[in-house]
Amino acid sequence: KAGVTQTPRYLIKTRGQQVTLSCSPISGHRSVSWYQQTPGQGLQFLFEYFSETQRNKGNFPGRFSGRQFSNSRSEMNVSTLELGDSALYLCASSFGPQGEQYFGPGTRLTVT
Amino acid sequence: QKEVEQDPGPLSVPEGAIVSLNCTYSNSAFQYFMWYRQYSRKGPELLMYTYSSGNKEDGRFTAQVDKSSKYISLFIRDSQPSDSATYLCAMTIRSNDYKLSFGAGTTVTVRA
Repeated sequence: KAGVTQTPRYLIKTRGQQVTLSCSPISGHRSVSWYQQTPGQGLQFLFEYFSETQRNKGNFPGRFSGRQFSNSRSEMNVSTLELGDSALYLCASSFGPQGEQYFGPGTRLTVT
Repeated sequence: QKEVEQDPGPLSVPEGAIVSLNCTYSNSAFQYFMWYRQYSRKGPELLMYTYSSGNKEDGRFTAQVDKSSKYISLFIRDSQPSDSATYLCAMTIRSNDYKLSFGAGTTVTVRA
């Protein structure tokens, strides 16, 4: 069974630009969550989508947004990039009622 | 104070030793507990998932939960160099709540 895939794996952007990251969950998984990982703050929850609806949102500014498509694939968007947005962005998918989440390899975003 | 506290280490042990990792948490609503392993430049990999106080074993790994003390542990027996990684604890309130709260992660090195 294929795991969670994320594209692109690496990205370099300039301050003020916007970026879109993509996540394809494990086949059959309907929940997709996004996390930001930085050396200083660790892993922080961004948001979670289930059946195209945002169910949970973390404490991030409105510049961070996401969506989920009918095939469960998800995208997250960051507008007006800041240097502090440089991080590893991780996507995780879930299926069962027990809530285990399986992570993708992440997209490493560098903002210059 | 963070919701989940985890000593970031680093922890260095000889091959064959028992590795002991732990996390404490302040939110008594947390009911579901996970341990993830993350290799450098990879996404976190789910190792253990528990939801009741007590011990759960899986091969060389044992997860321990003490809800009365708000304390969880992971033990790795007969550690191998391939166990060298960062270990993250995570927890959530409900089984179908995919908003995970993570510890900072403990970096472990197993010396051959």
